[in-house]
Amino acid sequence: DTAVSQTPKYLVTQMGNDKSIKCEQNLGHDTMYWYKQDSKKFLKIMFSYNNKELIINETVPNRFSPKSPDKAHLNLHINSLELGDSAVYFCASSRGGETQYFGPGTRLLVL
Amino acid sequence: TQLLEQSPQFLSIQEGENLTVYCNSSSVFSSLQWYRQEPGEGPVLLVTVVTGGEVKKLKRLTFQFGDARKDSSLHITAAQPGDTGLYLCAGARGAGSYQLTFGKGTKLSVIP
Repeated sequence: DTAVSQTPKYLVTQMGNDKSIKCEQNLGHDTMYWYKQDSKKFLKIMFSYNNKELIINETVPNRFSPKSPDKAHLNLHINSLELGDSAVYFCASSRGGETQYFGPGTRLLVL
Repeated sequence: TQLLEQSPQFLSIQEGENLTVYCNSSSVFSSLQWYRQEPGEGPVLLVTVVTGGEVKKLKRLTFQFGDARKDSSLHITAAQPGDTGLYLCAGARGAGSYQLTFGKGTKLSVIP
């Protein structure tokens, strides 16, 4: 069974569209994260939720909005997509501040 | 922003050779983690080092945390093609910290 899963794996869309990426973890963790990895492989945290509450919100355009319906899910909604949003987005989860387990990533390409 | 500098950025070696990857910062971290990421996959944790001067071994991989907890190294002995991947170091700012600061990674290619 996949511990941290993301859908979709690939997402190709036009500039200006709104899209969502879903993340689910079956590890019973209480903390979930979204990271962005750019073309140079630099991995940067965007958001973190602990028990459904936002605890980390890095400098990210407000077009990005995370939503955590329950502790096992953290979705990422992106409004008005721009070319610069093209990247690989990783979801991760952890128990408190312990080891983070990453999902397989969602490859977003904005045309 | 606390930065982690990794070197080298790229490394291509022959199977059987040894190599060392470095992760340096001007800031102190409570712990430092090493991940390996393979193409099309997410990063997978290899090890966490917590104590200054700590050395951990994982088969042919040896990890060391600097005495001042500002730097770390990963040494691979007798590299194999299966070691190929992107190696990332990540530092945590406080005990149980939720926020990791990642280095930019070292892309290792081991040629058979």
